[in-house]
Amino acid sequence: GENVEQHPSTLSVQEGDSAVIKCTYSDSASNYFPWYKQELGKGPQLIIDIRSNVGEKKDQRIAVTLNKTAKHFSLHITETQPEDSAVYFCAASINDYKLSFGAGTTVTVRA
Amino acid sequence: KAGVTQTPRYLIKTRGQQVTLSCSPISGHRSVSWYQQTPGQGLQFLFEYFSETQRNKGNFPGRFSGRQFSNSRSEMNVSTLELGDSALYLCASGYGGDEQFFGPGTRLTVL
Repeated sequence: GENVEQHPSTLSVQEGDSAVIKCTYSDSASNYFPWYKQELGKGPQLIIDIRSNVGEKKDQRIAVTLNKTAKHFSLHITETQPEDSAVYFCAASINDYKLSFGAGTTVTVRA
Repeated sequence: KAGVTQTPRYLIKTRGQQVTLSCSPISGHRSVSWYQQTPGQGLQFLFEYFSETQRNKGNFPGRFSGRQFSNSRSEMNVSTLELGDSALYLCASGYGGDEQFFGPGTRLTVL
């Protein structure tokens, strides 16, 4: 099955700086790559996603890049704010109605 | 539009008992997926239903089962509970493709 690895496991950034989280996947058939943000006591919230026919996608301060050849994708958060502090998960799907998740990255934004 | 709702939010059971969790998807969504989240194993896929049919199933023992009703609401059942079943059980809904939107989860504690 699909195996998704996520790095780093924890990330501490100064408010206003950028944060980057990287994920690799094993199954070259994967074609959908969402990112979720999970705050304490809540379920994961879809923040951005990208499909295999697109190399980059941006939504305000958040961007995702995909390198199909290397089988890795990354989440970029610019101008970080305290409310960006949360656990972020990457996931991959081969269109079989199942998401395979990375282990998560705990992001702390220092004021 | 109301989000995914899960009931109950918290549950305490003892070993050997069984439990039923409920999920109401976002209005118009016909796909419901279930995931188990634990600190050690992360987010793991249990099963997915679309129009009352299970389309995919994860690697969980037969004690874990689910179903979907004609109004797209879904239930999952865990029989003969074990200590290791303590987890946050998340339900996600979608139109039937890749995008999945999660509910707040049901926190199950097995004593």
